[in-house]
Amino acid sequence: DSGVTQTPKHLITATGQRVTLRCSPRSGDLSVYWYQQSLDQGLQFLIQYYNGEERAKGNILERFSAQQFPDLHSELNLSSLELGDSALYFCASSVGNSIAATQYFGPGTRLTVL
Amino acid sequence: AQSVAQPEDQVNVAEGNPLTVKCTYSVSGNPYLFWYVQYPNRGLQFLLKYITGDNLVKGSYGFEAEFNKSQTSFHLKKPSALVSDSALYFCAGSPPMDSNYQLIWGAGTKLIIKP
Repeated sequence: DSGVTQTPKHLITATGQRVTLRCSPRSGDLSVYWYQQSLDQGLQFLIQYYNGEERAKGNILERFSAQQFPDLHSELNLSSLELGDSALYFCASSVGNSIAATQYFGPGTRLTVL
Repeated sequence: AQSVAQPEDQVNVAEGNPLTVKCTYSVSGNPYLFWYVQYPNRGLQFLLKYITGDNLVKGSYGFEAEFNKSQTSFHLKKPSALVSDSALYFCAGSPPMDSNYQLIWGAGTKLIIKP
């Protein structure tokens, strides 16, 4: 158990809908990262927050947004969902914002868009 | 463009034999390099990392990796494979002063250990 929690574990929804994925980092970690893992594209970095501020942006679609709250939990919002958004979404956390910091991953949320 | 490559989609090893999962990188400077493992239906777990210092890095579950600057490689090794080592392995790296603050991930290598 990494100490990173993600809810829900599974999410099934329809095209065009909007969903929110939630992540609680390990105690003491200030950075939160979001990743998308699909079968054909491997692990894709989406976005990083550090202590409430956006720190780095990867291949995140405009339909996706995220935020980190004062209690350091983070939410990833996915809107106007398409079939291709079906994937595993992972959250990771690290103690600092250095690229050398080890990232600890949550168990993931499996999103299925029908 | 900077990249991390895992040249083998799948590696098959007999239980008890040594295993190697390959990773090569094209990253500026002296990179930071990481290995993670993903078991079925689980999140990624950190195995080890190279930041600086000794080129041989020892990690969790008996794994080790050697940073080889001349060959731009960071292969993951274990002297004696266990069936429970069967999983998906990811290599990741970054330049030491990356302004994008994000790791570059390999595509993953599926390791299958046969009894």
